[in-house]
Amino acid sequence: DAGVIQSPRHEVTEMGQEVTLRCKPISGHDYLFWYRQTMMRGLELLIYFNNNVPIDDSGMPEDRFSAKMPNASFSTLKIQPSEPRDSAVYFCASSLLTGYNEQFFGPGTRLTVL
Amino acid sequence: TQLLEQSPQFLSIQEGENLTVYCNSSSVFSSLQWYRQEPGEGPVLLVTVVTGGEVKKLKRLTFQFGDARKDSSLHITAAQPGDTGLYLCAGVRNTGTASKLTFGTGTRLQVTL
Repeated sequence: DAGVIQSPRHEVTEMGQEVTLRCKPISGHDYLFWYRQTMMRGLELLIYFNNNVPIDDSGMPEDRFSAKMPNASFSTLKIQPSEPRDSAVYFCASSLLTGYNEQFFGPGTRLTVL
Repeated sequence: TQLLEQSPQFLSIQEGENLTVYCNSSSVFSSLQWYRQEPGEGPVLLVTVVTGGEVKKLKRLTFQFGDARKDSSLHITAAQPGDTGLYLCAGVRNTGTASKLTFGTGTRLQVTL
């Protein structure tokens, strides 16, 4: 299994630009999570989906952030317009609805907004 | 609001030493997970503890869940350079469908030769 795949691995953009982060979860997993990690705030849950439907987006910081999951194998996290304070590592994770719901994390996208 | 506080934040030790990392919360969790994260990678699950007072061993790592299910500890015996990384505890709340994780502040461990 290839694991959770994220792209790009690194993104550098200028303030005001639109940024789109992509995620391919592990095949067969029912849940997909988006997290953000910074030195100041640690690892925070932004939003999660169940069977492609957004369930809880209470962690999404502002209206500038949006996430979609058009099908079971693809999700995007979009920031428009981006700001320097959005600089962070963004992780996607997926899990099955079994057991203790172990979440499998992707390698992350390091976003730098200048 | 960070619900899970880990201590220490940073730990630099020599190979062969023992160490303990603590994870404390004022909230009760359904279970608690420990992850290790290496540079440039996502966190990887080490263990899940479920029952208050539970102790789990994974080779040289010993995990304990507090009786009240609010705190946990990770003890490493005879640390090795391969143990270097960021250790994260995560409180698990079962929402009926998925498990929402609240991550701790993290403990960055460096083990030198």
